[in-house]
Amino acid sequence: QKEVEQDPGPLSVPEGAIVSLNCTYSNSAFQYFMWYRQYSRKGPELLMYTYSSGNKEDGRFTAQVDKSSKYISLFIRDSQPSDSATYLCAMNLYSGASKIIFGSGTRLSIRP
Amino acid sequence: NAGVTQTPKFRVLKTGQSMTLLCAQDMNHEYMYWYRQDPGMGLRLIHYSVGEGTTAKGEVPDGYNVSRLKKQNFLLGLESAAPSQTSVYFCASTLTGLAGDYTGELFFGEGSRLTVL
Repeated sequence: QKEVEQDPGPLSVPEGAIVSLNCTYSNSAFQYFMWYRQYSRKGPELLMYTYSSGNKEDGRFTAQVDKSSKYISLFIRDSQPSDSATYLCAMNLYSGASKIIFGSGTRLSIRP
Repeated sequence: NAGVTQTPKFRVLKTGQSMTLLCAQDMNHEYMYWYRQDPGMGLRLIHYSVGEGTTAKGEVPDGYNVSRLKKQNFLLGLESAAPSQTSVYFCASTLTGLAGDYTGELFFGEGSRLTVL
């Protein structure tokens, strides 16, 4: 079993829809949870970062962590064609941890 | 500020050939990483380094070697390339940090696309 599981998609939604992206994980010791966005033929870039459980909002993006269920989510409101990308969840154990574990990524397409 | 630079960006090798990928970062980061990305597999860690002169194995280290002789550079070597090593390789770097200012942000290069025939 992979430490981090993510539905690969692809996921296609119309412009303006609310998008929900999810990951599950098996290691209950993970404390830092991240979402990266990767445009085609580019390196990933950090989109959201959350420490421990709870919600974090940044503009149209909301990251949720439910440690009791080992489940994290990224919500995108009022989705735009420019949000079309692959979204990767990532997590690690503690701030000085050397290994960051990534999910396999979900490919998202926003239809104009 | 160039960030993380990878060279070469594209390369085609024949089975059995060797090559080295170079990663350079100008952000004075301690930690550096080499990942490979394959369809449906996400980013898998090959090797990483927590400082100059140190390296460690990641999830998929077989067939690769690395060196970190200078803090700003991290080299990934393939001694005898195999078709299974056809992939997109990403280098990344990050600061370590105390819990209060840690953001988990890895800074990635733009990738090196390697094809082994």
